[in-house]
Amino acid sequence: DTEVTQTPKHLVMGMTNKKSLKCEQHMGHRAMYWYKQKAKKPPELMFVYSYEKLSINESVPSRFSPECPNSSLLNLHLHALQPEDSALYLCASSRSVGVGEQYFGPGTRLTVT
Amino acid sequence: GIQVEQSPPDLILQEGANSTLRCNFSDSVNNLQWFHQNPWGQLINLFYIPSGTKQNGRLSATTVATERYSLLYISSSQTTDSGVYFCAGATGANNLFFGTGTRLTVIP
Repeated sequence: DTEVTQTPKHLVMGMTNKKSLKCEQHMGHRAMYWYKQKAKKPPELMFVYSYEKLSINESVPSRFSPECPNSSLLNLHLHALQPEDSALYLCASSRSVGVGEQYFGPGTRLTVT
Repeated sequence: GIQVEQSPPDLILQEGANSTLRCNFSDSVNNLQWFHQNPWGQLINLFYIPSGTKQNGRLSATTVATERYSLLYISSSQTTDSGVYFCAGATGANNLFFGTGTRLTVIP
């Protein structure tokens, strides 16, 4: 099973809301990633978790807060977002950072109003 | 991080035609993947190919690691092949860097 699941598929939120995106994998992978993708652009790395510890934060604003409760789950907590944060948010996992194939979830399409 | 160049940026094909997509890397990579992003945004793994040649049905890929490039061949294209094709590479134990993609449109 090479499936990464993400919920919700779509999310519309106001600038004062707090919401969370969820990602799950059951492949025993120890690296998990959050990417942001704007229209007609490639995915941009936001965060990397390695063995449940945050190992890379690509200068992401603090209104995005990642969390890795266990080796299978990854959350992205959203607070006080801006309209320019509207994008497709993709979760991925791999055996370890930079090792083996990276598998992506279907994404959450976020609209900030 | 490494720079990844993809060509061509856009490609329009008649159904049944063949095509070659190219990916150049600024540095040697030990991890290289090709993805197809469908219209709904899902990134589908096509090949994990740090070196050598692989085939999967109508698709095949070749990576020449010493010359820092990879090619994706699509034969007998179908309308369902439409979408964006990304290559991505990593050096050492680092994260993947994505190219800017090739947008493929296959017309019936």
